[in-house]
Amino acid sequence: EIVMTQSPATLSMSPGERATLSCRASQSVSSNLAWYQQKPGQAPRLLIYGASTRATDIPARFSGSGSGTEFTLTISSLQSEDFAVYYCQQYNNWPPVTFGQGTKLEIK
Amino acid sequence: QVQLVESGGGVVQPGRSLRLSCAASGFTFSNYGMHWVRQAPGKGLEWVAVTWQDGHNKYYADSVKGRFTISKDNSKNTLYLQMSSLRAEDTAVYYCARDLGLNYQVLSILDFWGQGILVTVSS
Repeated sequence: EIVMTQSPATLSMSPGERATLSCRASQSVSSNLAWYQQKPGQAPRLLIYGASTRATDIPARFSGSGSGTEFTLTISSLQSEDFAVYYCQQYNNWPPVTFGQGTKLEIK
Repeated sequence: QVQLVESGGGVVQPGRSLRLSCAASGFTFSNYGMHWVRQAPGKGLEWVAVTWQDGHNKYYADSVKGRFTISKDNSKNTLYLQMSSLRAEDTAVYYCARDLGLNYQVLSILDFWGQGILVTVSS
């Protein structure tokens, strides 16, 4: 099973700042990496797949990069609605599909 | 628009069974693979199971293998999760989710999710 590790666990930022979230895989997942956003009491929402392809209707301020074992989700200028928990997920070697433990992006 | 609505959750005693349903609308259900993902209270996401477009191929997480069964009724546009021998650690919000893949491809990219349904296993 591929283990996904996200860092940091919590990120405190201010609106307008640039946020960088990291995700590491225990072995190569090529570019088969997705990012999801989850707000309190809501279902997750797909943001990025293929490591860098934005899903439908996702704003351009969200971007993904990386391949192999190291990945990054960048939010270029934080809006109030971006404060949430973010999960990475690999779909290169499955089953099982595996998620990271999440990064909570909170308002500073 | 795509809609996924889960139902069937509630409080159940350890060792008992429960069946979750996920009613789909706004897309051609028979063209898509479907997943169940769960989230224990205050915890992260855990993938549970997947079924292919025609409902024939299925895979499960080790934690539920032999106890849970995923099924898909394309005539009713409904996904199911039959859960048996329930344990306290199965307590979670259960989400159904659509797979992005088409043409008998299952990619395990989850592009639409239901709102989730809470299952509590407790005596």
